[in-house]
Parts: sequence; C-alpha cells; structure tokens
Amino acid sequence: DVKVTQSSRYLVKRTGEKVFLECVQDMDHENMFWYRQDPGLGLRLIYFSYDVKMKEKGDIPEGYSVSREKKERFSLILESASTNQTSMYLCASTAGRRYEQYFGPGTRLTVT
Amino acid sequence: GNSVTQMEGPVTLSEEAFLTINCTYTATGYPSLFWYVQYPGEGLQLLLKATKADDKGSNKGFEATYRKETTSFHLEKGSVQVSDSAVYFCALSGGGSGNTGKLIFGQGTTLQVKP
Repeated sequence: DVKVTQSSRYLVKRTGEKVFLECVQDMDHENMFWYRQDPGLGLRLIYFSYDVKMKEKGDIPEGYSVSREKKERFSLILESASTNQTSMYLCASTAGRRYEQYFGPGTRLTVT
Repeated sequence: GNSVTQMEGPVTLSEEAFLTINCTYTATGYPSLFWYVQYPGEGLQLLLKATKADDKGSNKGFEATYRKETTSFHLEKGSVQVSDSAVYFCALSGGGSGNTGKLIFGQGTTLQVKP
C-alpha cells in the first residue's frame, strides 16, 4: 500500500517560532509537493521538488522554505511563523505528469 | 496559463439523486485530468483519471469523460449515497509543464448528501 506520511496531524506554535513540517513517501517518487489549503481558496502550491536537492517555487512561496536531502523526504520550513500561516498543510508525491499525486493526511497548523 | 474551473458549491442532494459536478479547463498541449475526493479530516485521494481525449475514468460509481472539444471533465454519479459527502477537486497535469506531475486544481466543490 502506497504511503505518504506527515510528521504531525495537529501542531500549535507561537508567532516567531521556526516550524518544520516533515513529509516522507515510500514510493521512490521523484516529485514531491507542499500545498496549503484554506476555506474558499482551495489548494495552493507552496513549493515542489523534482529531484534531491532540487526545488521550485510554487504560487505562494513567501515566508516558506523547503529542504530535500533524501529522495523520500521533503521538509517545509516556516522560518518565523506568523498567524496568517495558520492553515492545513498537505504533502504529496508523484511519479510524473501522467500519474496521480498521492497525498498525506495533512497537518493542521495553528500559529498563536 | 493553465487553469481549472469548477462549479461552486455547496451542492446538496438527497440520497439516490443524480450528481453532476462541472469542470472545465484551459491548457496547452495534452494534459491529464483527475478528480480527487477529500473526506472530512483527511487528505486528498484520487477518485478517477483520464490521460487522453475521449477516455472515460470511472471508480466507485463515479464517471468522467475527457472532452477535448468542450475542454471539460464533468463528474457524474447516477445515485449518490450519504457516504459520498465530501469535497471534490478537479485537476489537470502536464500539457506543457514538463514531467514534474505538477497539478492545477479547481477550487473544490462540497457535496452534502442527505438521507
């Protein structure tokens, strides 16, 4: 059974803290993605990675960075968390354009 | 650029009613098209897909046909159940964006089915 796992289902952090969200996939996929999901705005792409150490900005990269040191792991970093980063964060991976993306269960992050 | 437009929700139906959720797209090249479903408190999961024109994707009683002439991929189900209550996302991949599998999502349509 294919799996994308995320390090936490729920997370509460304080404004200004550095936050790490971890995502691991066991399917040997080249491509991994980080989205945030907000009511009324759908899914918005933050960053994606198409290979180890390779990354590209998505639609809303401001305030975020990413790290991909190993093929199976893709981390999202909030350098200094702010209240407007309170959201549901979803990680996904895929083998390529003709294949579906597999999603993790999501991390609901609250920044107070 | 590439885009996906879905009908706005919420959609409220009675059990056993017929469901249609409209999805149209704009894309260069030959994208693959997907429907994802998100049940409450969960991540997205693939419902069905189609990778070329005139393909029909189907799963769990849901169907969608890739119509290049109308640039549409409408989701249908003949008889919905309460357990189908969820958020449905239409998405496209490829069509000129390389092989990263990057998806363009619609806004999502919330479906509520009442007994």
